[in-house]
This record gives sequence, structure tokens and C-alpha cells, in this order.
Amino acid sequence: AQKVTQAQTEISVVEKEDVTLDCVYETRDTTYYLFWYKQPPSGELVFLIRRNSFDEQNEISGRYSWNFQKSTSSFNFTITASQVVDSAVYFCALSEAGDSNYQLIWGAGTKLIIKP
Amino acid sequence: DAMVIQNPRYQVTQFGKPVTLSCSQTLNHNVMYWYQQKSSQAPKLLFHYYDKDFNNEADTPDNFQSRRPNTSFCFLDIRSPGLGDAAMYLCATSRGGTGVYEQYFGPGTRLTVT
Repeated sequence: AQKVTQAQTEISVVEKEDVTLDCVYETRDTTYYLFWYKQPPSGELVFLIRRNSFDEQNEISGRYSWNFQKSTSSFNFTITASQVVDSAVYFCALSEAGDSNYQLIWGAGTKLIIKP
Repeated sequence: DAMVIQNPRYQVTQFGKPVTLSCSQTLNHNVMYWYQQKSSQAPKLLFHYYDKDFNNEADTPDNFQSRRPNTSFCFLDIRSPGLGDAAMYLCATSRGGTGVYEQYFGPGTRLTVT
């Protein structure tokens, strides 16, 4: 069965701290895709990253970085030197390549609060 | 800029009164999706179109219908809204083809049912 677990319901940190959002997934497929989306208070979901199961390289984009580890079925997201504008709900999602319905399996989301 | 546009941003309708939400895209993507998102929850896929092929999720109520008259536009019709249908409705698009591609979302329409 497919499942995405974001165990952290809410995280609160002070600006400039580093913060890691955890994502653990379950799938039986060998080919799958993982995603992170950001949903700020305005409500629009913003795509952050897509990673396929054959690419375990970590990714860095500015203050954002992602650590993909197949051995632990995790795809964690770190924000370095957090800023107030990073406050949002962050969703991790999974899709299996064979899923012709293009279904994304979403985690419950982690609400990140960055205090000034 | 290429984008996904949703209108209106806020919609108020009465219980049982049909309502239509619209979505347009300038990304020229094959796939268009409609999601329902309730407060503090992840988005829930209602249905999607791959070009003109309609794909309904098994648990989407019959009360929800969709139309895609052309590549750029997609509509969500709620035939008889109930109080439980009050939610944010999100439209998204993605490339089609081999593999699974990221979805790009519109700003959403917040539906209130009175």
C-alpha cells in the first residue's frame, strides 16, 4: 500500500534557525516519484521539488535542501537560515509510475511557523 | 508568465443551488486536475482529464461533475451543494506522457455554502 507520513504536525522555530521537515513513504513499486509542495497562508500550492526513485542524489536550491534515502524510505526537507516568509504548510507526496490515474498520495502536511 | 488561473477566488452559494468554478491554463499541459481541500487537510483529488479523457476518482460524489471544452479550460460543476461541500477547490495542471510530472496549482476558489 502507498502511504506518506509526515509525523511533525507543527514546527515552530525562531528566524535564522535551521529546520528539517521529515517525510517517510511506503510503496511496493521500484519506480516512483516524490514531491514537496509549499502552501503559504494565501492558499496556493507551490511546487518545490520532484525526485524519481532512481536518483538518490541530494538536492540543494538556495536555502532549501532535500535528503533522499531509499534505505530508510525518507525524503526529508531542510530549510537553512529560516525566514518568516518560509512560514507555510509543507506537503510531501508520492506517486507510483504505474499509476495511470496520476494520483498523488499526500502526507498530512507539516505546518511551519517561523517567528521573527 | 505561464500560469493556472481560477475564477472566482471566492464563491458563495446557497444550499442546493448549482455552482460552477472555472480554471484556465496557459501552460499547454495535457492533464488538468480538480482537488477539494478542507481546512488543515491535504488536497483530495476529485477527478482529472488527460486531454479529453475524463478520470473520476472512485469516491468522488456524483454531485460533482467536470467539463473540459478545450485544452485551456476546465470547469467544476457542483449540482446541489451541501454544507459539507464548503471547501477550497484547487485546479492543477501537469505534463502528460511517460513518467509522473509535477503539478502546477492555481490560487484556488474558496466555496462557502449558506
